[in-house]
Amino acid sequence: KNQVEQSPQSLIILEGKNCTLQCNYTVSPFSNLRWYKQDTGRGPVSLTIMTFSENTKSNGRYTATLDADTKQSSLHITASQLSDSASYICVVSAASGGSYIPTFGRGTSLIVHP
Amino acid sequence: DTGVSQNPRHKITKRGQNVTFRCDPISEHNRLYWYRQTLGQGPEFLTYFQNEAQLEKSRLLSDRFSAERPKGSFSTLEIQRTEQGDSAMYLCASSTAPRVGNTDTQYFGPGTRLTVL
Repeated sequence: KNQVEQSPQSLIILEGKNCTLQCNYTVSPFSNLRWYKQDTGRGPVSLTIMTFSENTKSNGRYTATLDADTKQSSLHITASQLSDSASYICVVSAASGGSYIPTFGRGTSLIVHP
Repeated sequence: DTGVSQNPRHKITKRGQNVTFRCDPISEHNRLYWYRQTLGQGPEFLTYFQNEAQLEKSRLLSDRFSAERPKGSFSTLEIQRTEQGDSAMYLCASSTAPRVGNTDTQYFGPGTRLTVL
């Protein structure tokens, strides 16, 4: 069964600090891995998309890494801001005969305190 | 505003009633996705269209759920004989299909929150 596990479930940090969120998956055959940011009550916003051949992708202060051998990804947030407070969701898609099926993690809830 | 729009934003219904939600994608996008998200959980994939063709359907989508995109533009998601377990946020997203692979950037709408009493 395809699964995506995220850790920690929640995280509280001080403004200006860095943090790293983890994503482990058992999705096969692997197509791509995405990280989304979701503010409370709103739809997710795409941060990064990585395919099998990519092991790092940056988007401003967000840097995602992918280790396809160990089936792990991380999202590193540098110099956190209050607006980074949100849920961060890891999504892994399986390729299926030209179509695809995404499996979502439950998300990591990040709170940034001043 | 040229983003993805969804209507209604909130819907309260009684168990057993039918409900229909609408999604208007970004105008040039040919892919449209439906997801469901319950409180404290990540979204779950329901189905997606490329133009008017429904290319994939999750096993989560029971026969009470049906989605259409008749002209390849807006889409509707209908739930028949609603149950309390259908209470969730229903999210729509749209994108442009990439030439190769499935690395399309999806743009999400604000969602329709359904409450079944």
